[in-house]
Amino acid sequence: ETGVTQTPRHLVMGMTNKKSLKCEQHLGHNAMYWYKQSAKKPLELMFVYSLEERVENNSVPSRFSPECPNSSHLFLHLHTLQPEDSALYLCASSQSRATRPGNTIYFGEGSWLTVV
Amino acid sequence: DQQVKQNSPSLSVQEGRISILNCDYTNSMFDYFLWYKKYPAEGPTFLISISSIKDKNEDGRFTVFLNKSAKHLSLHIVPSQPGDSAVYFCAATSGWSGAGSYQLTFGKGTKLSVIP
Repeated sequence: ETGVTQTPRHLVMGMTNKKSLKCEQHLGHNAMYWYKQSAKKPLELMFVYSLEERVENNSVPSRFSPECPNSSHLFLHLHTLQPEDSALYLCASSQSRATRPGNTIYFGEGSWLTVV
Repeated sequence: DQQVKQNSPSLSVQEGRISILNCDYTNSMFDYFLWYKKYPAEGPTFLISISSIKDKNEDGRFTVFLNKSAKHLSLHIVPSQPGDSAVYFCAATSGWSGAGSYQLTFGKGTKLSVIP
């Protein structure tokens, strides 16, 4: 039990589909993050939410649309994706966005996305 | 351009011997460095960190060394155990800017295999 749960764990979608990734944290944290890991590339921060407010968007294309309805849930809505968007998408949470990361940031198990 | 580099994608070590994982960085603003460990089908978990004011930090079998002049850090695992087999990510962060969040910049990871 990691405290950060992601669903689905695996997703295959066509380029014209609309799907969503879901993340839930049971740790009482105030900050949530989406990271992306493409093949042969490092983990990259996509979005940061603090108390349901988006505080960071790292130049992510608009076909990725995050939503944070409350401090425990984070979604990543996907539409008209490209095959190069196939990657591992990791959700994470921390007590505060202003807390220096270390053992304070908890990652989910990830959602493997394949765009065909 | 990658700011955190792990040039060895994989490393194999015999059980009981020392594992040395290396990481280089280019951004002089980084002042805090971390190692994360990732098993298959799990999210990364924090392992050990070091501040730039130190050159060594030890936690049990794990020691991280920092050479600021060379912009190099390394993770030593002694003795290595089969359960240490995982992907190890080096990450770095700089000081709080007052906006956004502490951004973790990751390396691509090194897959360690400890052979019984």
